[in-house]
Amino acid sequence: GIQVEQSPPDLILQEGANSTLRCNFSDSVNNLQWFHQNPWGQLINLFYIPSGTKQNGRLSATTVATERYSLLYISSSQTTDSGVYFCAVEGIQGGSEKLVFGKGTKLTVNP
Amino acid sequence: DTEVTQTPKHLVMGMTNKKSLKCEQHMGHRAMYWYKQKAKKPPELMFVYSYEKLSINESVPSRFSPECPNSSLLNLHLHALQPEDSALYLCASSPLAGVNNEQFFGPGTRLTVL
Repeated sequence: GIQVEQSPPDLILQEGANSTLRCNFSDSVNNLQWFHQNPWGQLINLFYIPSGTKQNGRLSATTVATERYSLLYISSSQTTDSGVYFCAVEGIQGGSEKLVFGKGTKLTVNP
Repeated sequence: DTEVTQTPKHLVMGMTNKKSLKCEQHMGHRAMYWYKQKAKKPPELMFVYSYEKLSINESVPSRFSPECPNSSLLNLHLHALQPEDSALYLCASSPLAGVNNEQFFGPGTRLTVL
């Protein structure tokens, strides 16, 4: 089945710093989403980006489908950016077509 | 409105109790999902409903019983749960099931089984 790997697993930043999170996937995909899970557990949609580049405020994402990776850029980080960032791709795993999540990157932004 | 709502936010139940989790969306989506998330792990798919019919059951134990009364509502009935079933239960919806469909998640129900 499809494999999704995220790096780094943990990231600690000072407020104002920039960061890049990476997601590698093992097969071609039709759907790739980036989520931010806040400390209360809510999964917030950041980007739906099976290919190309998108920007939303301080966040941007790029997916290079032919090379099977996606990057999430966070600029001028704020303490409210803390939480876990998940990459998820639509693919076959265990015989079912489903959204498969990576293990996440835990981001801590210190004031 | 890209909102999925879930009730209750928190639930504590004993192993002999019967309880239900509720999920609602008013985006006109025809696919709805239940996920289970243990601490420090990613969400794992449990069930998928497409056009109010169960299309995927990820070999979930029968003590979890999903129900989709209409296109806007999804329930998860719980009976005789075990302490290891304690987790965050997330509901999601998408326009259709399958590829090229963005999923939107609710805030979750944090379940504790005593």
